[in-house]
Amino acid sequence: EVQLVQSGAEVKKPGESLKISCKGSGYRFTTSWIGWMRQMPGKGLEWMGIIYPGDSDTRYSPSFQGQVTISADKSISTAYLQWSSLKASDSAMYFCARDSSGYYRLDLWGQGTLVTVSS
Amino acid sequence: QSALTQPASVSGSPGQSITISCTGTSSDVGGYKYVSWYQQHPGKAPKLMIYDVSNRPSGVSNRFSGSKSGNTASLTISGLQAEDEADYYCSSYTSSSTLGVFGGGTKLTVL
Repeated sequence: EVQLVQSGAEVKKPGESLKISCKGSGYRFTTSWIGWMRQMPGKGLEWMGIIYPGDSDTRYSPSFQGQVTISADKSISTAYLQWSSLKASDSAMYFCARDSSGYYRLDLWGQGTLVTVSS
Repeated sequence: QSALTQPASVSGSPGQSITISCTGTSSDVGGYKYVSWYQQHPGKAPKLMIYDVSNRPSGVSNRFSGSKSGNTASLTISGLQAEDEADYYCSSYTSSSTLGVFGGGTKLTVL
């Protein structure tokens, strides 16, 4: 089955670090981009960044540049989104999605990872 | 503020047709054929419904159709059904960014 499976919900304290994952299966992981999107409670979708697992070419939204790090390990078909120091405002649902066209056509989505940051 | 403008809400009765608009600029919607539409039910991941302005992925009902005129793209849902009640997002390739852009989303209510 072609799918993206994300890691489970996280509850963290401000200042803590976090790395969430997105594992692809059923297709050639290295030949499609993987994007990360944020959705804050009751709000719309926002692009955070995108990575090409084949060569780790990575692009960030200006809003998230320097705030998060996107990476991938092609040997295990997994992309990552990480924070070095979480803030309460990072509390949101995070989705990964496959762009198989190179033009931001997101045809396969993970189920989402809910991140809650609270003291 | 989202780069693409969508109405906050639309509604229709079962069996009717509705259209959701998505207005951008010549740098995104108007300049390229790479407009997509996504459906998102509460608590679920988005699902691709239309890509490249008017193409449907395999498995998506033909009640969903897309079009574009100038800087505005549109999603039309015909024969509304209760299961169509969801949030809908448009998205486009843009020459103004290294990433795509989303609309703010439209909540569809089936009366």
